[in-house]
Amino acid sequence: DTAVSQTPKYLVTQMGNDKSIKCEQNLGHDTMYWYKQDSKKFLKIMFSYNNKELIINETVPNRFSPKSPDKAHLNLHINSLELGDSAVYFCASSHLDTEAFFGQGTRLTVV
Amino acid sequence: LAKTTQPVSMDSYEGQEVNITCSHNNIATNDYITWYQQFPSQGPRFIIQGYKTKVTNEVASLFIPADRKSSTLSLPRVSLSDTAVYYCLVGRNTGGFKTIFGAGTRLFVKA
Repeated sequence: DTAVSQTPKYLVTQMGNDKSIKCEQNLGHDTMYWYKQDSKKFLKIMFSYNNKELIINETVPNRFSPKSPDKAHLNLHINSLELGDSAVYFCASSHLDTEAFFGQGTRLTVV
Repeated sequence: LAKTTQPVSMDSYEGQEVNITCSHNNIATNDYITWYQQFPSQGPRFIIQGYKTKVTNEVASLFIPADRKSSTLSLPRVSLSDTAVYYCLVGRNTGGFKTIFGAGTRLFVKA
């Protein structure tokens, strides 16, 4: 049973397109996150939701919009994709003050 | 956020003990020290967390001196499967709340 699952695992798309990455967790956690890992392997938090409410919104372009339909899901929608958006995106979940469990990642390549 | 400094890479041989040190000179009173492990093409995985002195679990030990300005992750008797990137994090909670993982330490375990 996968604890935190993301789909798709790989995503190749052209500049200017709109795409979504889905994330689901079956751990009963109340907090979910999106991270971006760039080519230098730095892993930076983008968003965090606690009980479906946005609690962290780091300096991320408005083209990135998270959506949490319920506590078990946090999807990431990206508009007008740019070359610089190419990276690995990780979803994670936790109880608010405990360790985070990460998904396998989505490798986004914008061409 | 307390900035952390770790070695970029380390090499070891199977069966040896590996110690990875992390410097965090401006750690705050409420900050915990957390270590994650990341294998290629996977999300980070929580290893251990501590506040002071020594913490041990089935995977590793974490040594924290009294001034808490550094910490050492100790991996006993490493195997080839311990080859991964190890991240040291310092922050208010263990999850990843407003946390930048940094580049981590790439550990190569050789036969």
